[in-house]
Parts: sequence; structure tokens; C-alpha cells
Amino acid sequence: ILNVEQSPQSLHVQEGDSTNFTCSFPSSNFYALHWYRWETAKSPEALFVMTLNGDEKKKGRISATLNTKEGYSYLYIKGSQPEDSATYLCVIRAFQKLVFGTGTRLLVSP
Amino acid sequence: DAGITQSPRHKVTETGTPVTLRCHQTENHRYMYWYRQDPGHGLRLIHYSYGVKDTDKGEVSDGYSVSRSKTEDFLLTLESATSSQTSVYFCAAQAGTDNSPLHFGNGTRLTVT
Repeated sequence: ILNVEQSPQSLHVQEGDSTNFTCSFPSSNFYALHWYRWETAKSPEALFVMTLNGDEKKKGRISATLNTKEGYSYLYIKGSQPEDSATYLCVIRAFQKLVFGTGTRLLVSP
Repeated sequence: DAGITQSPRHKVTETGTPVTLRCHQTENHRYMYWYRQDPGHGLRLIHYSYGVKDTDKGEVSDGYSVSRSKTEDFLLTLESATSSQTSVYFCAAQAGTDNSPLHFGNGTRLTVT
């Protein structure tokens, strides 16, 4: 069974704080890693898709790194804003399947 | 946006009735998926399709069937709805390459009374 673990489960920060989350996965048969941002009452929205070891992606204040050899990815948010409040989902493509993590719920207080 | 439209957005139905949810996409994506979202479980895969008339079961497929007669439409049917199928259902489409993201619809909230 392929297990995708995200930590922490939830996080509460103040506006302006920088934060990061982790996605851990088995490194065998890895094809791709996706990060999604999921706001309450909306649908998940793709942030990044990464496939190569050492990949780094950036979108505004959000960036992500990928280490396929040790099986983890970090998602960073610089200078968190209240509108960053959402659940951040990690999804792994491996063994011809997409496996979802349970997400990290971020709350940013003004 | 890959233009994923789910219908209906909300539905209330009685136990034992058949229900069909529709997912329509406008980007000619090869793969389509149906997920359900429940508290404490995140998103769980019900069924998926890798092409017209090509479908396969996901992890929670019991009580559900799907059909894909056209690239753009993926239908999810509950043959005889049960209260345990009360959930929010999300459809997603994907172009099919390893580095293509999932594009999600806005979800259908189904309540089975």
C-alpha cells in the first residue's frame, strides 16, 4: 500500500509569518508529485507538478522542492497572508495510480 | 482552467432511488476521475477512466458505476442510493502525462435521506 504522509496536520500562523509543510512518500516507482491548494467550499487548485529529483518550483510567495531519493517534498509560503488559508494537498503518482495525502490545513490570522 | 462542469451542484434524494451525476470537460483530457470527500478521509477515488469506454474501479467503488461514451462526459451512477453515499463528489480531468495536473470540478453535494 502506497502511503503519502503530510505534516503537520494543521498549522495556525500570524500574517507575515513564513511557513513550510512536508509531504513524505515511498521513493520507489515514483513518477510525479503534485501540490494542490484547496480552499473551503471550493475545489482543489493545482499549484505545482514536479517530476525530477531536485526540482524547485515557485509561484509568487509559494515555492516547493522535491527529493525523490529520500522521498519528500517541502512546500514553503513566504510572508503568509490570510488569503493563504486553505488545505494544501500532496498527491503522488506511482504504480500507475494517484495517491492523495490527507493535507495540511493552514490558517493565517490577520 | 480545463472547463470541468459538474451537474447537479446539489441533490437530495431518497434511499433506494437511482442517481446520476454528470461531469463534463471541454479540454479533451484523456483521464477522468470521480472522488468522494468525507470528513476524516480526504479525497477517495471511486472510479476512473483512461479513455472512451475504458474505466476501472477505485478504492471505494462498491455501489457505484460509471460510463464514458464520449471523451468529454463521465457519468457516475448510484444504482440504489444509500445514506452512506451522502457526500461531496468531485470530478477531475487530467491530460494524461506524468507532469499534467488534475483539474477539478466544483463538486456535487449529494444528500441521501
